[in-house]
Amino acid sequence: GAGVSQSPRYKVAKRGQDVALRCDPISGHVSLFWYQQALGQGPEFLTYFQNEAQLDKSGLPSDRFFAERPEGSVSTLKIQRTQQEDSAVYLCASSISTETQYFGPGTRLLVL
Amino acid sequence: QKEVEQNSGPLSVPEGAIASLNCTYSDRGSQSFFWYRQYSGKSPELIMSIYSNGDKEDGRFTAQLNKASQYVSLLIRDSQPSDSATYLCAVITSGTYKYIFGTGTRLKVLA
Repeated sequence: GAGVSQSPRYKVAKRGQDVALRCDPISGHVSLFWYQQALGQGPEFLTYFQNEAQLDKSGLPSDRFFAERPEGSVSTLKIQRTQQEDSAVYLCASSISTETQYFGPGTRLLVL
Repeated sequence: QKEVEQNSGPLSVPEGAIASLNCTYSDRGSQSFFWYRQYSGKSPELIMSIYSNGDKEDGRFTAQLNKASQYVSLLIRDSQPSDSATYLCAVITSGTYKYIFGTGTRLKVLA
């Protein structure tokens, strides 16, 4: 069956540019998570949605980061005025509840 | 102290040997534990979950949980070169639903 999909797979942005990263979760999965993974590190939690409700955004590193999931399915992570320290892989995961999470392929963001 | 700790490795084992990967966590109330495998440039894929003290086996993989010692491990029997990857330990801490990951242990299986 279809897994979690993310687009784009790679994004190169100039410093100061806005970017939008998309996540399509597994159909029927209520929970959706965004993580940021720096090189050589484990993924770090950014935010969590249950259906369309954003229940936790405590991991978003600054107010330049914004996420939404307006219809409880597709989610978008937006980063405004990108900085070099935003360069990382952004992983989306979905779960039928809040236990086992299934990860998408990630978006590799490079800010120049 | 990090919430979830793993030795970053690399851990090198010969083909056919048992690889032992370890993870400790700080929140005594944690209830759910997961092992993910991540190949270079790829996303994490689930190997096993474990919730109760003791061993859980799935094919060549065995997860072991000891809540008293706050310790979870993964054993890989008959290691193959294709097992070479980074193994991530993830914990759901008490009162939350988000994964806290360790930094991962890089495993190298030598042919």
